[in-house]
Amino acid sequence: ILNVEQSPQSLHVQEGDSTNFTCSFPSSNFYALHWYRWETAKSPEALFVMTLNGDEKKKGRISATLNTKEGYSYLYIKGSQPEDSATYLCASLSGTYKYIFGTGTRLKVLA
Amino acid sequence: DTGVSQDPRHKITKRGQNVTFRCDPISEHNRLYWYRQTLGQGPEFLTYFQNEAQLEKSRLLSDRFSAERPKGSFSTLEIQRTEQGDSAMYLCASSLVQGNTGELFFGEGSRLTVL
Repeated sequence: ILNVEQSPQSLHVQEGDSTNFTCSFPSSNFYALHWYRWETAKSPEALFVMTLNGDEKKKGRISATLNTKEGYSYLYIKGSQPEDSATYLCASLSGTYKYIFGTGTRLKVLA
Repeated sequence: DTGVSQDPRHKITKRGQNVTFRCDPISEHNRLYWYRQTLGQGPEFLTYFQNEAQLEKSRLLSDRFSAERPKGSFSTLEIQRTEQGDSAMYLCASSLVQGNTGELFFGEGSRLTVL
């Protein structure tokens, strides 16, 4: 993998559903993997910064895992709420301090 | 408010004109980044600074784009002879290099429309 790829591109879920997204990144020269949430008309905000293989992070109903050997990270949202509607971006940091972003997963939670 | 601020928030210009965007990072942050985001895409790296030094510039960036960060504080991004393809959201972010974190703090962006 040469680029950062995210799937799915967009997702509609019902309130209360749990969901997950995937971020694939280059595993060579890995330094860190970031997840950001970008709500409409606001600026992206960091959710997680992950650096170690096997890392698991949690913030409320949102959690993330990291596999640096195979180059992927999962973001999970348990019991989705309408306020979770946003674009979720992952960014890979390798070697130089240049962050490469994926195209994002646009989540819409329907009430 | 001590977050990252960008100005102007919106800019409409005619093709061929020059535009300049300004970013004021969080004061103690030593790294500053510029990204461009178009509809349906993630933020695309343009350039970044550590203090006043421009450390990397995307090869995708034409010579019409230039960025500066005099004195290692605010930064400007200038686009000369704008083209319709330059229409995008231009995002600025800053970070404090400290260990392995380097979480990015973003401004709200400057949206450029080239007619």
